Amino acid sequence: AQSVSQHNHHVILSEAASLELGCNYSYGGTVNLFWYVQYPGQHLQLLLKYFSGDPLVKGIKGFEAEFIKSKFSFNLRKPSVQWSDTAEYFCAVNYLGSSNTGKLIFGQGTTLQVKP
Amino acid sequence: NAGVTQTPKFRVLKTGQSMTLLCAQDMNHEYMYWYRQDPGMGLRLIHYSVGEGTTAKGEVPDGYNVSRLKKQNFLLGLESAAPSQTSVYFCASRGGTGWIGELFFGEGSRLTVL
Repeated sequence: AQSVSQHNHHVILSEAASLELGCNYSYGGTVNLFWYVQYPGQHLQLLLKYFSGDPLVKGIKGFEAEFIKSKFSFNLRKPSVQWSDTAEYFCAVNYLGSSNTGKLIFGQGTTLQVKP
Repeated sequence: NAGVTQTPKFRVLKTGQSMTLLCAQDMNHEYMYWYRQDPGMGLRLIHYSVGEGTTAKGEVPDGYNVSRLKKQNFLLGLESAAPSQTSVYFCASRGGTGWIGELFFGEGSRLTVL
C-alpha cells in the first residue's frame, strides 16, 4: 500500500540549532513530494515541493529538502531554526500513475517545538 | 482572491444529528478534497472530486457523503454523527494539468460530536 512515514513525531530544539525531519515513502514509481507546515491555529501552508529536476529543493523561510530516489526519502532541513518555526510539519506524496487522481497521502506529522 | 473557504469553522453536534460542511474555492480548480486531521494520524482523505458532478471515496469514507453540484463547491455531509467523527476537517483544491499541482487548503472546520 502507498504510505508516507515521518520518523520523528515530536522534536524539541533550541534556537539556532539545525533541523532535519525525516520522510520516507513506500512506492518506487514517479512521485511528487511536498512539505506542508501548520502553525498553531492555522491551516496548512506549502513549504516546498519537488516535481522533477534538481533533487535539492529550496522553499520558504530558509527550509530545503533533498529528494533521494534510491532511499525513497525527502528529508526536510534548516540550518538554524527560530522560535517562529514552532509548528507541525507534514510530508506528503502524490503517487503518479494511471490509477491516481492527484490525491496526496500525508505522513503522521512532526511537531517541532523551538525553545527561545 | 479568497482561495478556499470553509463554513462553519466550529460546530458541536449531538450523536445522531446531521450536518453539512461547505467548501468553496474561487480558483477555478477541477480537483477538490476533504481530509480529516486527528492527533498522531496526520491527514486522511475522506472523499475527493476530479470535477463537477464527480465524487470518489478516499481512505476513510464511511459515515460521510459528498456532493459536487457546482465546480466551485464541495459539500461534506454527516447523516448521523458519531463521537468518532470528532475531528478537524480540511478542504483542499488543486489546479494544474494532469497529475501535477499543489493543494491549497482551507482554514479548517472543528467538529465535536458529543
